[in-house]
Amino acid sequence: GNSVTQMEGPVTLSEEAFLTINCTYTATGYPSLFWYVQYPGEGLQLLLKATKADDKGSNKGFEATYRKETTSFHLEKGSVQVSDSAVYFCALSDRGQGGSEKLVFGKGTKLTVNP
Amino acid sequence: DAGITQSPRHKVTETGTPVTLRCHQTENHRYMYWYRQDPGHGLRLIHYSYGVKDTDKGEVSDGYSVSRSKTEDFLLTLESATSSQTSVYFCAISERHGPYEQYFGPGTRLTVT
Repeated sequence: GNSVTQMEGPVTLSEEAFLTINCTYTATGYPSLFWYVQYPGEGLQLLLKATKADDKGSNKGFEATYRKETTSFHLEKGSVQVSDSAVYFCALSDRGQGGSEKLVFGKGTKLTVNP
Repeated sequence: DAGITQSPRHKVTETGTPVTLRCHQTENHRYMYWYRQDPGHGLRLIHYSYGVKDTDKGEVSDGYSVSRSKTEDFLLTLESATSSQTSVYFCAISERHGPYEQYFGPGTRLTVT
């Protein structure tokens, strides 16, 4: 079945450091790919997405490129801030019944950014 | 923010008791999902709904049932709670027309003693 493997961490960085969180996937067909972020005590919220090969998703200085040849969707940010401290989840869409799109998540990567 | 509420937000219950969690949305979205979040597992899909009275199983459905009698409410029931069902439960909604983004509720922390 479809699956997502992401770097588990935890990852600890200093402010203004470069961030990479690796994500690779296994899927039949061409799923959409997502990065969700979870701040402490909250639900998940979409950070960025890409729906086809070579698409680049970007938001709030984060970006990720859908690489079909390497089945990857790595998350990057050039200069992290303390406010980026959160858990990051990579996910792919999986077709369900009735036109639904289920999400398959990686295990999450906890990022802590120190001042 | 998407209008999704979950109730209760916290619950402690004993092994063997039935428990019902409620997800309520004000967005009129067609699709609703229940996930559980556990350390080392990320989020895993329990059940989902693709319309009123239309539901299907997810990856970890054993021991859970769901019902959706109206668009805005999706109920998750643990028929006889076990300690392995101690978790944080998230509801999510999505609308078909768009990029299939899912909007998540604030979560319910359930402890089974």
